[in-house]
Amino acid sequence: DAGVIQSPRHEVTEMGQEVTLRCKPISGHDYLFWYRQTMMRGLELLIYFNNNVPIDDSGMPEDRFSAKMPNASFSTLKIQPSEPRDSAVYFCASSFSSGKSSYNEQFFGPGTRLTVL
Amino acid sequence: KQEVTQIPAALSVPEGENLVLNCSFTDSAIYNLQWFRQDPGKGLTSLLLIQSSQREQTSGRLNASLDKSSGRSTLYIAASQPGDSATYLCAVIGNFNKFYFGSGTKLNVKP
Repeated sequence: DAGVIQSPRHEVTEMGQEVTLRCKPISGHDYLFWYRQTMMRGLELLIYFNNNVPIDDSGMPEDRFSAKMPNASFSTLKIQPSEPRDSAVYFCASSFSSGKSSYNEQFFGPGTRLTVL
Repeated sequence: KQEVTQIPAALSVPEGENLVLNCSFTDSAIYNLQWFRQDPGKGLTSLLLIQSSQREQTSGRLNASLDKSSGRSTLYIAASQPGDSATYLCAVIGNFNKFYFGSGTKLNVKP
């Protein structure tokens, strides 16, 4: 398997523009996670899905952020409008659960480095 | 709310030394615990997963232990090498497969 795939790897945009980040999880994984990492705040969980359904979006910072998972092999994280403080590395991760008591390893993608000018 | 703490925040050791990284968590009701490694500018790489019913896991020179009752895990690295230099993060897995991450320990192994 190619692992978790994210695109683009780098994104530079101007304040006010819409940004869309994309993620393809590992085939067969039923959980998908979106994280944001900055030097100041470390790794933050934004939202995660189980079987394409959002489970917890309490980490989404503002209404400017939205995430969708239309099918098991694709998810997007959208920021509209973007602001300089959104500059960070955004990671997507996926994992497989064989049951409530058996949560398995989480695998991360390479990340998207977002710079908002 | 689950809080995960990693101490120390940074560690510098000479090559060849054995070392221990610490991870503590406030809520012992966890399912699993996972250790990751992150190289500068890269994503997180999974090192070891310890299930709640296990006490330890080993992979090569790495050994991770878990004591749920005391809310602690350690990652032991034997015979450290410069290539081990990276940031090590632990994450505990709670209800509904939610991951709670520590802030990491930045390790520097000097040649």
